Amino acid sequence: DGGITQSPKYLFRKEGQNVTLSCEQNLNHDAMYWYRQDPGQGLRLIYYSQIVNDFQKGDIAEGYSVSREKKESFPLTVTSAQKNPTAFYLCASSVTGVTFNEQFFGPGTRLTVL
Amino acid sequence: QKEVEQNSGPLSVPEGAIASLNCTYSDRVSQSFFWYRQYSGKSPELIMSIYSNGDKEDGRFTAQLNKASQYVSLLIRDSQPSDSATYLCAVNINAGNNRKLIWGLGTSLAVNP
Repeated sequence: DGGITQSPKYLFRKEGQNVTLSCEQNLNHDAMYWYRQDPGQGLRLIYYSQIVNDFQKGDIAEGYSVSREKKESFPLTVTSAQKNPTAFYLCASSVTGVTFNEQFFGPGTRLTVL
Repeated sequence: QKEVEQNSGPLSVPEGAIASLNCTYSDRVSQSFFWYRQYSGKSPELIMSIYSNGDKEDGRFTAQLNKASQYVSLLIRDSQPSDSATYLCAVNINAGNNRKLIWGLGTSLAVNP
């Protein structure tokens, strides 16, 4: 079955620690995205990548880093510089067409800072 | 700032009724429009996409697009309790060579048995 997987489902982090969230897709999509969702604030774009070895900052990139070494994988690192990292993190992917951009989501990772 | 606006709700309808969800957007050159459903604690699920003015039907769902009025809506016929969720409207924008979605905050729908 084609799809997007994220791991872990739940993650607990101590203050000052960096953590890496995994996102893998086997849909053969070129583009991948990371969003953060907080209650009442909707989806906010952290980083996105339209091709391997290239990525762009989204609206709230500070305190986060990404890499795109393989088409299938787009891991997100939440660094200690992120002031309020507790949130629901969503990874998505899409084809890169002229007008489309239907994004398909993984199940998400819920990060809690202790 | 390009925006997508939705009524936050909650929108409450009885089982079997038609639920009407609305979305307005500010970027006149947007060409792709999407409706996602998100159950509490879960990730968004794409339910409809629409690219041309008019109506697009898929089962109990109908998306309506009016680019002149910068308005897109979602109708859910014969609403079921399982339709109770938050519905997110998303609009594609092209920023140079990069394409991304701008998201509304979502409308909460409650279908009452």
